[in-house]
Amino acid sequence: DAKTTQPTSMDCAEGRAANLPCNHSTISGNEYVYWYRQIHSQGPQYIIHGLKNNETNEMASLIITEDRKSSTLILPHATLRDTAVYYCIVRGVNFGNEKLTFGTGTRLTIIP
Amino acid sequence: EPEVTQTPSHQVTQMGQEVILRCVPISNHLYFYWYRQILGQKVEFLVSFYNNEISEKSEIFDDQFSVERPDGSNFTLKIRSTKLEDSAMYFCAGGRGYQETQYFGPGTRLLVL
Repeated sequence: DAKTTQPTSMDCAEGRAANLPCNHSTISGNEYVYWYRQIHSQGPQYIIHGLKNNETNEMASLIITEDRKSSTLILPHATLRDTAVYYCIVRGVNFGNEKLTFGTGTRLTIIP
Repeated sequence: EPEVTQTPSHQVTQMGQEVILRCVPISNHLYFYWYRQILGQKVEFLVSFYNNEISEKSEIFDDQFSVERPDGSNFTLKIRSTKLEDSAMYFCAGGRGYQETQYFGPGTRLLVL
């Protein structure tokens, strides 16, 4: 079972920042937080990941709390193309146990 | 930017038939995975593959399933005798290392009639 909890759905106005929360209170010290998104039934698209420090790339920012029990994905200027299901995934990094366990994610709708 | 490709994009088959789903991973990837997503449900892990061996598999991946990397470029998933419940999107993924990010292909939609 997924080790994360996310809201089922969220709306965000186009051009605004979309902030997607995720709880992962049982995360272990060597587990990473990964974010993927899935548009319609396309293949999951990697967004960003982190261990304990905040991370930023061309797509998004990831803010991880100091206790690592929760995180927030930030899409700084949401566009209509960001409408998708967003998955927060806690992932082990031991060989033979590196699978991604997807939950139901957050369905983000960007409103014009 | 290199991408994972999968063929066919759609496959319709009769129950009991064998199907082979094909994936071409990114060239410098060494670790390979298959996932599936039944319509309206979660993405589920099937199997991971490294150095021509299965490194992990889920309960879904029973004796009807097999994986192979026949020629160093393709990565295939075979379902020997398809069932109605095998109807799903099948996604291939790959990564440079087991600790590295997994990148997914666009998927093959399999419909078993």
